[in-house]
Amino acid sequence: DQQVKQNSPSLSVQEGRISILNCDYTNSMFDYFLWYKKYPAEGPTFLISISSIKDKNEDGRFTVFLNKSAKHLSLHIVPSQPGDSAVYFCAARSIQGAQKLVFGQGTRLTINP
Amino acid sequence: NAGVTQTPKFRILKIGQSMTLQCTQDMNHNYMYWYRQDPGMGLKLIYYSVGAGITDKGEVPNGYNVSRSTTEDFPLRLELAAPSQTSVYFCASSYPEGGSEYFGPGTRLTVT
Repeated sequence: DQQVKQNSPSLSVQEGRISILNCDYTNSMFDYFLWYKKYPAEGPTFLISISSIKDKNEDGRFTVFLNKSAKHLSLHIVPSQPGDSAVYFCAARSIQGAQKLVFGQGTRLTINP
Repeated sequence: NAGVTQTPKFRILKIGQSMTLQCTQDMNHNYMYWYRQDPGMGLKLIYYSVGAGITDKGEVPNGYNVSRSTTEDFPLRLELAAPSQTSVYFCASSYPEGGSEYFGPGTRLTVT
């Protein structure tokens, strides 16, 4: 049972354009959502998060949107830069779950010059 | 401040062998976690700990054991290695008050 799904295994975007990565979840008990970025041969690093009481959170070029009714969140990167090329993981946790994260499968983002 | 460190970086095991993956954090985090990542998949939780002396199973605990005798260290033990345990293993830690998890660089394990 995949509680967090990233249905696009890969995404290719031109440098300077907007990158939109999507994530769907099924567990209505999730109350905190995070995006992680992962380069090859490194561990994931935290990028941005959003609480279920909000519908948007911005941090520089990165914005996360949460649509609770659709159980959907998205990460917008604008403008996209070559250094943004990485695998992006969506993750979610429930306040009841000892902060255990449930991860999506990841989306490989490639930014083309 | 080294963050989360893991050793070894790479290891090849024969079927039936045992090993311990080491994880240490220097951020005084109470919560620590072990994940595995298989190709094309997300990270799956193996075991976690909310403090020294307290551990609990995650989603995929079979074939593994953990201990947490100190706040800093959270070793993962593989007994009787099997090819299905070929994966990349990540250790992570966090504060109990929330926020994000900090991940180590990973250990790539191959069982042949």
